[in-house]
Amino acid sequence: DGGITQSPKYLFRKEGQNVTLSCEQNLNHDAMYWYRQDPGQGLRLIYYSQIVNDFQKGDIAEGYSVSREKKESFPLTVTSAQKNPTAFYLCASSPWTGPSEQFFGPGTRLTVL
Amino acid sequence: DAKTTQPNSMESNEEEPVHLPCNHSTISGTDYIHWYRQLPSQGPEYVIHGLTSNVNNRMASLAIAEDRKSSTLILHRATLRDAAVYYCILSDWAGGGADGLTFGKGTHLIIQP
Repeated sequence: DGGITQSPKYLFRKEGQNVTLSCEQNLNHDAMYWYRQDPGQGLRLIYYSQIVNDFQKGDIAEGYSVSREKKESFPLTVTSAQKNPTAFYLCASSPWTGPSEQFFGPGTRLTVL
Repeated sequence: DAKTTQPNSMESNEEEPVHLPCNHSTISGTDYIHWYRQLPSQGPEYVIHGLTSNVNNRMASLAIAEDRKSSTLILHRATLRDAAVYYCILSDWAGGGADGLTFGKGTHLIIQP
């Protein structure tokens, strides 16, 4: 089945540690995205990538980093510079062919203790 | 992206139609109207999108006002599985790029059995 995989579902880290969230898609989509969601709020865009080896900052990129070395993979690193990293992180992908739908993964809930 | 306004919550009965409104008075000529929904602790799911004409798919219908300053998502026969947060989003595809979506707080739809 085609889709987006995010792992792990729950992640716990100590304050001050960097942590990398995985996102893999087998939909052959060009564009991939990372969003953050806080309780009771909508999603906010962190980073997006329209093509391999290229990515752009979203609305809240500070304290995060990404890479796009392969079309199917778009890992997100939450660095120690991110002041409030505890949140629900969602990865999405879409074909870069016009106003098509974005397909979302199941999300990773990160808790920093 | 232009801003949308939605009611915080709505309640409906099972097996009845539901009309979810969205105001977007500052919409531009190249903005598409997208609807997504999100169940608790899951990633958002695409529902429907349109530009000027009304649109129908297996999940819902999208009615767009003639001046495009408002739209309505119609669920023809609500079930308990339709209880979710519904997001109305505008996305400018004038440049042809896929630069992410801006999610507001959406409408929390409650379905009574």
